[in-house]
Amino acid sequence: AQSVTQPDIHITVSEGASLELRCNYSYGATPYLFWYVQSPGQGLQLLLKYFSGDTLVQGIKGFEAEFKRSQSSFNLRKPSVHWSDAAEYFCAVRTGFQKLVFGTGTRLLVSP
Amino acid sequence: DGGITQSPKYLFRKEGQNVTLSCEQNLNHDAMYWYRQDPGQGLRLIYYSQIVNDFQKGDIAEGYSVSREKKESFPLTVTSAQKNPTAFYLCASSIQGSSYNSPLHFGNGTRLTVT
Repeated sequence: AQSVTQPDIHITVSEGASLELRCNYSYGATPYLFWYVQSPGQGLQLLLKYFSGDTLVQGIKGFEAEFKRSQSSFNLRKPSVHWSDAAEYFCAVRTGFQKLVFGTGTRLLVSP
Repeated sequence: DGGITQSPKYLFRKEGQNVTLSCEQNLNHDAMYWYRQDPGQGLRLIYYSQIVNDFQKGDIAEGYSVSREKKESFPLTVTSAQKNPTAFYLCASSIQGSSYNSPLHFGNGTRLTVT
């Protein structure tokens, strides 16, 4: 069955340090991959998406993600984290024209 | 500004009562979705609709019902048959439900508490 794994439930990063959030997917065909961010009590906002082409995709707020087919991964990165980046991050894979499967999320804490 | 409006933000109900959550979008999107979010479980699909007057069950439809009488509106009713209704409910829409690359746009959610 299609699935998305985000192995880190919580991550704490110092402000100004780099960030990498892990995402692994299980899907037989070409995946359509997304990263969303959710602030407390809010809806989800799309950070970036990958469909095809260049495996390094740029998103909003300085985020980027790299698709690695050989590792079934789509990790999210940011070179320098800001306190406002503290939120929960969700990776998702679109497995059917209506089916978006989400990971369980990674909560990012930013320390001063 | 275009967007998705969910109301109310907080909802409290007694066990055994049905409750309806509102979702309205002015993005002119064809497809609409309802997700349930529980801590540590990510988002799970309840129902979705590709066009007016048509909707399909998602992964956890039991105890829920929906209608799609207008393109802009997709209300969700949580019935008394839903065993664990307390959760955060998110409504979403996308331009074309049949398009793999159309991302979902989300509302700000409704937190339902049933006691």
